[in-house]
Amino acid sequence: DAGVTQSPTHLIKTRGQHVTLRCSPISGHKSVSWYQQVLGQGPQFIFQYYEKEERGRGNFPDRFSARQFPNYSSELNVNALLLGDSALYLCASSLYPGTGNNEQFFGPGTRLTVL
Amino acid sequence: GQQVMQIPQYQHVQEGEDFTTYCNSSTTLSNIQWYKQRPGGHPVFLIQLVKSGEVKKQKRLTFQFGEAKKNSSLHITATQTTDVGTYFCAEYRNQFYFGTGTSLTVIP
Repeated sequence: DAGVTQSPTHLIKTRGQHVTLRCSPISGHKSVSWYQQVLGQGPQFIFQYYEKEERGRGNFPDRFSARQFPNYSSELNVNALLLGDSALYLCASSLYPGTGNNEQFFGPGTRLTVL
Repeated sequence: GQQVMQIPQYQHVQEGEDFTTYCNSSTTLSNIQWYKQRPGGHPVFLIQLVKSGEVKKQKRLTFQFGEAKKNSSLHITATQTTDVGTYFCAEYRNQFYFGTGTSLTVIP
């Protein structure tokens, strides 16, 4: 079985541009979460989606948005990029959301660099 | 922001020595998960602790949840070079809050 996949692997953008990151969860997993990990820090929660609905949102500005598709894959969109958005963006899938009692499987991440 | 504090931030050990990282919270933790992230990699789930005073072992790794459910620890016995990486604890409180991590370097 394939694990969580993310694309692209690396991305370089300039300030003010827009970016779309993609994630495919493990087959059978209906919940997808997005995290931002700045170098030297732990992952910071951005969004969680379950059955195509937003189930949670972290402390990120409205420039960050996401959606989940009928096949449970997900996109993270970031508008008006800032230098501080440079980070590793991680997608995690799990069977279900709502509690901490389930294992998250992380994808390899997308390394975003904003110049 | 971060709601769990993790110490130490860095730890260098000689191969064969033991290693411990601690996760502390000012409030009661409903549960705690531990992850390992290799350099250049992504977090990989290790274990979940739910019950007060719970102790779980995975080979050379021992995980503990405090009696008051306000702290947790990960102890590695006789470290190996394959143990290199950053170890994170994560608390679930409507969303996952990750600790700052402990970066482990093992000197051969």
